[in-house]
Amino acid sequence: QVHLVESGGDLVKPGGSLRLSCAASGFIFNDYYMNWIRQAPGKGLEWVSYISSSGSTTYYRDSVKGRFTISRDNTENSVYLQMSSLRAEDTAVYYCARENSAWSDAFDIWGQGTTVIVSS
Amino acid sequence: SYELTQPSSVSVSPGQTARITCSGDVLAKKYTRWFQQKPGQAPVLVIYKDSERPSRIPARFFGSSSGTTATLSIRGAQVEDEAVYYCYSAADSNLRVFGGGTKLTVL
Repeated sequence: QVHLVESGGDLVKPGGSLRLSCAASGFIFNDYYMNWIRQAPGKGLEWVSYISSSGSTTYYRDSVKGRFTISRDNTENSVYLQMSSLRAEDTAVYYCARENSAWSDAFDIWGQGTTVIVSS
Repeated sequence: SYELTQPSSVSVSPGQTARITCSGDVLAKKYTRWFQQKPGQAPVLVIYKDSERPSRIPARFFGSSSGTTATLSIRGAQVEDEAVYYCYSAADSNLRVFGGGTKLTVL
């Protein structure tokens, strides 16, 4: 079974840091690009960051550039999101999602999400 | 930046065809994907490459695209299809956008 399991979400104060993890299983992890996508309470989906299969290429949405860092460990079948200088507007459920190049780069597998709350 | 525009809500009776549109200039050049999200659950891919359907998705889900508008149609909509539907496209590797979402009500 193909699975993605996120962890690391927590309540953190504004300006604080947090590291999210996403563990993959059931597929050849280093064959796939990976993404983080978030959803603020009661709001829509928002793409956050992308990492290539080797980890050599990364992209971010403008609002998190310089504050968030995506990385991956292909030996551990995991992708990470290091978040710093957190703001209230970063409060959201964070999903990791597999990007399938055979399906025109669609996000074909999603984790269940992990919740980040930024509040004093 | 660019945007994808969806209606906030669509309502149909069971058995009717539900149509959800997604509009944006990028759709004239790039593929649209559609996701279904039920309350408290992660999104699920229902359509990719404008009109392709993953094998696990029922055949009543149909995608199409023309010019700057993509459409998700659910033929013979069922109560279990009630959800929020999001379109998505990528103008570039670092320009990836979801539509605002459409709440589908089947009653």
